[in-house]
Amino acid sequence: AQKITQTQPGMFVQEKEAVTLDCTYDTSDQSYGLFWYKQPSSGEMIFLIYQGSYDEQNATEGRYSLNFQKARKSANLVISASQLGDSAMYFCAMREGLDQGAQKLVFGQGTRLTINP
Amino acid sequence: SQTIHQWPATLVQPVGSPLSLECTVEGTSNPNLYWYRQAAGRGLQLLFYSVGIGQISSEVPQNLSASRPQDRQFILSSKKLLLSDSGFYLCAWSVRQFNQPQHFGDGTRLSIL
Repeated sequence: AQKITQTQPGMFVQEKEAVTLDCTYDTSDQSYGLFWYKQPSSGEMIFLIYQGSYDEQNATEGRYSLNFQKARKSANLVISASQLGDSAMYFCAMREGLDQGAQKLVFGQGTRLTINP
Repeated sequence: SQTIHQWPATLVQPVGSPLSLECTVEGTSNPNLYWYRQAAGRGLQLLFYSVGIGQISSEVPQNLSASRPQDRQFILSSKKLLLSDSGFYLCAWSVRQFNQPQHFGDGTRLSIL
């Protein structure tokens, strides 16, 4: 069973609009973490934002915010005031477990975001 | 500041040849280290992780192996490459805090002919 589901293979948004990228997850753990990464066409993975399962407030980092709905097991990424440079693949990942401090991350399939001028 | 270096950036190898990809981290001590593979248009799959020198954990049975000969060096190897080993390989590091992100290198694009 897929543990991270990103249902939008591609999204097209006009510049300066806000965009929401969906992510749902499946876990029976009480303690877990959710990460969002951006992957431009060059290939590097850029960390955007983190949400812990016990965090009471939704995480925010500049133009990025995370709409965390624990009961629904969703952790959607919201990008406000989109820019042309936001065009990239976006991946949601869940910390599946810890082994001696090492994080075992499982990734979704990604959403390709295209910002139109 | 911490940096992660991964090389080579691209590699074309024949089936049956050996492989060695190297990753080094600067500016931090005793990091956790990770190797991932990304198939075209897909998410990342964790292959190996290491919490210390000589300590390697494998997540997926496969044709690959990993080694950590020094604290900040992580090597991905194969004795005989298969066509299915093609992909984009990414190295990452993290500190030993569960709420801190992994930081990735620029990756190696491996093509097997």
